[in-house]
Amino acid sequence: DTEVTQTPKHLVMGMTNKKSLKCEQHMGHRAMYWYKQKAKKPPELMFVYSYEKLSINESVPSRFSPECPNSSLLNLHLHALQPEDSALYLCASSQTFRETQYFGPGTRLLVL
Amino acid sequence: GESVGLHLPTLSVQEGDNSIINCAYSNSASDYFIWYKQESGKGPQFIIDIRSNMDKRQGQRVTVLLNKTVKHLSLQIAATQPGDSAVYFCAETTGGGADGLTFGKGTHLIIQP
Repeated sequence: DTEVTQTPKHLVMGMTNKKSLKCEQHMGHRAMYWYKQKAKKPPELMFVYSYEKLSINESVPSRFSPECPNSSLLNLHLHALQPEDSALYLCASSQTFRETQYFGPGTRLLVL
Repeated sequence: GESVGLHLPTLSVQEGDNSIINCAYSNSASDYFIWYKQESGKGPQFIIDIRSNMDKRQGQRVTVLLNKTVKHLSLQIAATQPGDSAVYFCAETTGGGADGLTFGKGTHLIIQP
């Protein structure tokens, strides 16, 4: 089973809202990732978690706040987003680094 | 800057023909490469990977070739089918610690009947 699940599938939020994206995997993977993908562009790395600790933050604005409650779950908390933050947010996981990353279906976010 | 790129944004092939999608990378430290397929509205789907100690790897209907001398990666799809229509991304990682993937621009593969 190489399934990564993400909820919700779609999200519309205003610039003053607070919302969270959720990602879950049950493959026993110890590395988890958040990527952002704009239309007709490749995914861009946002955050990397290794063994539930934040390893990489690719200079992402503080209005995006990641959280890894346990080895199977990864959250992305959103607050005071801007319309340009509208994108597909992808979660991925891998056994360890330099191993195949498996992606979830993404959450399509629209900020009004 | 972007270290992985593609030569063609769109590739149109006849159903049944073989497809070749190319990718150039600039980071000589890259040691692990992956090809992903992304269909409209879906997340990237793993196709095949290759490490820098290899120059060829084969899967079901797909072959990845790695030429480290010219920093070039290619994906060959045999007997292309309508279901192969998608955007294909190459991605690289340099490993050596915590890092994610750097993706190329992507190639949109269009299958003509």
